[in-house]
Amino acid sequence: RKEVEQDPGPFNVPEGATVAFNCTYSNSASQSFFWYRQDCRKEPKLLMSVYSSGNEDGRFTAQLNRASQYISLLIRDSKLSDSATYLCVVAASGTYKYIFGTGTRLKVLA
Amino acid sequence: SQTIHQWPATLVQPVGSPLSLECTVEGTSNPNLYWYRQAAGRGLQLLFYSVGIGQISSEVPQNLSASRPQDRQFILSSKKLLLSDSGFYLCAWNLHREAWDGYTFGSGTRLTIV
Repeated sequence: RKEVEQDPGPFNVPEGATVAFNCTYSNSASQSFFWYRQDCRKEPKLLMSVYSSGNEDGRFTAQLNRASQYISLLIRDSKLSDSATYLCVVAASGTYKYIFGTGTRLKVLA
Repeated sequence: SQTIHQWPATLVQPVGSPLSLECTVEGTSNPNLYWYRQAAGRGLQLLFYSVGIGQISSEVPQNLSASRPQDRQFILSSKKLLLSDSGFYLCAWNLHREAWDGYTFGSGTRLTIV
């Protein structure tokens, strides 16, 4: 089993739609969780951290479910500019190493 | 503010040639530094990380090496490149000793071995 698993997609959604991605992780000792966004042929950029209580940043909402070992990202009112690959990232406490998922590709269609 | 510089942006090298990629961070001190590689269609793979000058931890055994000659400088090297070394090489940094803060990545070097 991979340490971090994501559905590769692509998720093709119309503008204005709501879309959600899930990511599962295998290490129950994981303590830090993030979503990164990566545009084609560019470096990944931090989208948001994921906190235990869940957190929201504008149209983006992240949730953590420790019991089932998954995190989710919800994007509301999708924009064309949201088209990118979304990477799930997990790190265990006391480690410098982040484990990246292979990403979920999102295409927002006009 | 802190910035991270990575160069070159693209590189085409023949098999068997040497490699040196450089990464520098500005605006901070004693950062944790990382080298990742992203092969085509695959996830990011951690190659090396460093928590201080001269301190290098290797995550994968291969023909690559890393060095940290100065606090904010991280270098990835190879004596003889393989075809399988092609990929997108990313340098990253963060500050805290615990993994509470996300990384900031440099703009990457796209390496093609021919």
